[in-house]
Amino acid sequence: SAVISQKPSRDICQRGTSLTIQCQVDSQVTMMFWYRQQPGQSLTLIATANQGSEATYESGFVIDKFPISRPNLTFSTLTVSNMSPEDSSIYLCSVLRGKGYNEQFFGPGTRLTVL
Amino acid sequence: KQEVTQIPAALSVPEGENLVLNCSFTDSAIYNLQWFRQDPGKGLTSLLLIQSSQREQTSGRLNASLDKSSGRSTLYIAASQPGDSATYLCAVKENTDKLIFGTGTRLQVFP
Repeated sequence: SAVISQKPSRDICQRGTSLTIQCQVDSQVTMMFWYRQQPGQSLTLIATANQGSEATYESGFVIDKFPISRPNLTFSTLTVSNMSPEDSSIYLCSVLRGKGYNEQFFGPGTRLTVL
Repeated sequence: KQEVTQIPAALSVPEGENLVLNCSFTDSAIYNLQWFRQDPGKGLTSLLLIQSSQREQTSGRLNASLDKSSGRSTLYIAASQPGDSATYLCAVKENTDKLIFGTGTRLQVFP
């Protein structure tokens, strides 16, 4: 398995501000993923973050709203910009590990509430 | 477009019962299927991973089966315990590394 930590674990933010979420993995991984889970919903992939290249965003998510950094193979950040109450969600980072790098592991999540 | 559905949406059972949670997907061209557990307000814990070439996987009291041709997977929980109470999510992976999640089954096991 993988040990994945996220900071902060939760935050309450004001509308219009930005929050940067950090994800740290205990060993090097090629790909890191950022997911969003809105209240009462399942998870949706925001983007895939590869080291040394720009993140690949899924339909409905844009870099201006969710800029991502991937400075090395163990760390990534996701920023939620110009927040509105609709951004209130749990944000989770994820990596592929295991035999053949098939199994996906998730961090503990960051619970964001926007007032 | 791949869609993943889980039935039932919620389940409440007494301790000791054997349970079956269902997951169905619309496109059988999957790479693998993974079952997760999520406790309230927490991240996801990987329970079982089934490759597309496999029919089932077992871990302790958990057994997951996969019938790719019919687009179905089941998670069997034997002798349920209150500690099993959580939301159970299935997710399929296609040729990309993107996971497509089901809507989840919220399980409550009462003493």
